[in-house]
Amino acid sequence: DTAVSQTPKYLVTQMGNDKSIKCEQNLGHDTMYWYKQDSKKFLKIMFSYNNKELIINETVPNRFSPKSPDKAHLNLHINSLELGDSAVYFCASSQQGAAGANVLTFGAGSRLTVL
Amino acid sequence: GIQVEQSPPDLILQEGANSTLRCNFSDSVNNLQWFHQNPWGQLINLFYIPSGTKQNGRLSATTVATERYSLLYISSSQTTDSGVYFCAVHTGGFKTIFGAGTRLFVKA
Repeated sequence: DTAVSQTPKYLVTQMGNDKSIKCEQNLGHDTMYWYKQDSKKFLKIMFSYNNKELIINETVPNRFSPKSPDKAHLNLHINSLELGDSAVYFCASSQQGAAGANVLTFGAGSRLTVL
Repeated sequence: GIQVEQSPPDLILQEGANSTLRCNFSDSVNNLQWFHQNPWGQLINLFYIPSGTKQNGRLSATTVATERYSLLYISSSQTTDSGVYFCAVHTGGFKTIFGAGTRLFVKA
């Protein structure tokens, strides 16, 4: 069973469109994240949710709207897509407050290409 | 915020060679992870190592928290070791910061 699963794996779309990426984890973790990996492979945190509450929003444009319906799911909706949004988006999860806490487990990534 | 620096940025090895990758960080950390991103883009957790030394097969890692660095050793490298190696640190709260990575290519 996949621990952190993201869909879709690939997404190709036109500028100006709206798209969503979904993420689910079956690890029982209480914290989920979205990271963006640019063309130079640099990984930057975008959002962090703990028990469905937004904890971190790293100056991401408000065209990006995460939603966590429950602690096992974290979705990312992007409005009015721009060329610069092309990247690989990784979902991750971790557990807070225990020995071995904050050990990140990543999904396989969703490659978004904006034309 | 905390700075995470990895070296070298790029590394080319002949199969069978050994190498050491370094991660320096600018502040105290709660934990540190090493990841391997394979050529298919998957991020695989290699070690969770806030301090001390761990070994897993041909790979081992050492973190000296008091001196703010961690080392990843790869012995008898294989072509499947190619990819990008990331160091990631957690300082508290809900944020883990990644270094820029070391790009490794192992030649057959």
